[in-house]
Amino acid sequence: DQQVKQNSPSLSVQEGRISILNCDYTNSMFDYFLWYKKYPAEGPTFLISISSIKDKNEDGRFTVFLNKSAKHLSLHIVPSQPGDSAVYFCAAQRGNTPLVFGKGTRLSVIA
Amino acid sequence: KAGVTQTPRYLIKTRGQQVTLSCSPISGHRSVSWYQQTPGQGLQFLFEYFSETQRNKGNFPGRFSGRQFSNSRSEMNVSTLELGDSALYLCASSLTVAGGLTETQYFGPGTRLLVL
Repeated sequence: DQQVKQNSPSLSVQEGRISILNCDYTNSMFDYFLWYKKYPAEGPTFLISISSIKDKNEDGRFTVFLNKSAKHLSLHIVPSQPGDSAVYFCAAQRGNTPLVFGKGTRLSVIA
Repeated sequence: KAGVTQTPRYLIKTRGQQVTLSCSPISGHRSVSWYQQTPGQGLQFLFEYFSETQRNKGNFPGRFSGRQFSNSRSEMNVSTLELGDSALYLCASSLTVAGGLTETQYFGPGTRLLVL
């Protein structure tokens, strides 16, 4: 039973446009959500997070939106840059229990 | 500050052998978690150690084990290797675990294990 789902395995976006990566979860007890970015041959890098008490968190070009009623979160990257091309993992957590990851979405930003 | 380091970076083993992977967390971090990443799968949680004690364990067979030392360094061991154990094994460290406070995990580069 997959508790965190990233239904789009890949996404291609033109440089300068907005990238929107989506993530759905099934466990309403999750209270913390994170996005990690992973380049080949490297470990995942923490990007941005959001607590369940908020519906938006912004950090530079990256914004995460949380819709608790729909159990959905999304990561917006504006403007997209070629260096953003990577695999993005959504993760969720309840208290201090282990992170639960989605399978990732491969973003390709085309110059 | 140095990041999370993992050794070795690459490893080739044959079925039936055992393997030990090492992880050195960021200085001052006391929690270490291990994950397995296989093609087409997300990161699957193996186990977490805090202050030399296993706090959480994922849904993996007993062939997978780990430990943490007093300096917070951690090792994981896989015995009787199977072809399906071929994967990227990632280690992540975080500062502390305190009440309901969530600490961000920082990942190492991983050890890529190939079982032939």
